[in-house]
Amino acid sequence: GENVEQHPSTLSVQEGDSAVIKCTYSDSASNYFPWYKQELGKGPQLIIDIRSNVGEKKDQRIAVTLNKTAKHFSLHITETQPEDSAVYFCAASPNYGGSQGNLIFGKGTKLSVKP
Amino acid sequence: EPEVTQTPSHQVTQMGQEVILRCVPISNHLYFYWYRQILGQKVEFLVSFYNNEISEKSEIFDDQFSVERPDGSNFTLKIRSTKLEDSAMYFCASSGEGAPRSTIYFGEGSWLTVV
Repeated sequence: GENVEQHPSTLSVQEGDSAVIKCTYSDSASNYFPWYKQELGKGPQLIIDIRSNVGEKKDQRIAVTLNKTAKHFSLHITETQPEDSAVYFCAASPNYGGSQGNLIFGKGTKLSVKP
Repeated sequence: EPEVTQTPSHQVTQMGQEVILRCVPISNHLYFYWYRQILGQKVEFLVSFYNNEISEKSEIFDDQFSVERPDGSNFTLKIRSTKLEDSAMYFCASSGEGAPRSTIYFGEGSWLTVV
């Protein structure tokens, strides 16, 4: 089955700097890659996602890149702000017949943005 | 903005007791899911539900677990004879119908403590 590895596990940056979180996946059948932000005591909140027919997607300060050949995808946050501090999870979803929403998550990255 | 709501937010139960976690998915969504997150670990898929039946389940979702959509709005997860290792945050999620797959929205979670 699918396996998602995420690095780093913790990341500390100064406010205004960029943050990059990287994930790799094992199943070439995976075709949907969302990123979730989880604040303490809350559920995962989708911040951006990318599908396998696209190599890059951007939404204001957040961008995601996907390299299908290498089976890795990355989250880029520019001009970080203290409110970006949270745990970020990447996920991959295979497109097996009948599969709907079986997201395989990475272990998460705790991002700390220092003012 | 529409959201997935879960109750209770926190439940403490004795080992061996039955627990029912409740969820109200987003109203026009058709796919429903349960995930769990053991403290400090990754979010894990349990089960997906569509058209009043389970469409996919993980190895975690054994005979101890069951799901039900008792009416047009609620989606429940029942855990029979709880064990200490069932202590976790349980997230309900839902998604609409779209091609190839629409965004999955998570609730705030129900924290289950088995003592």
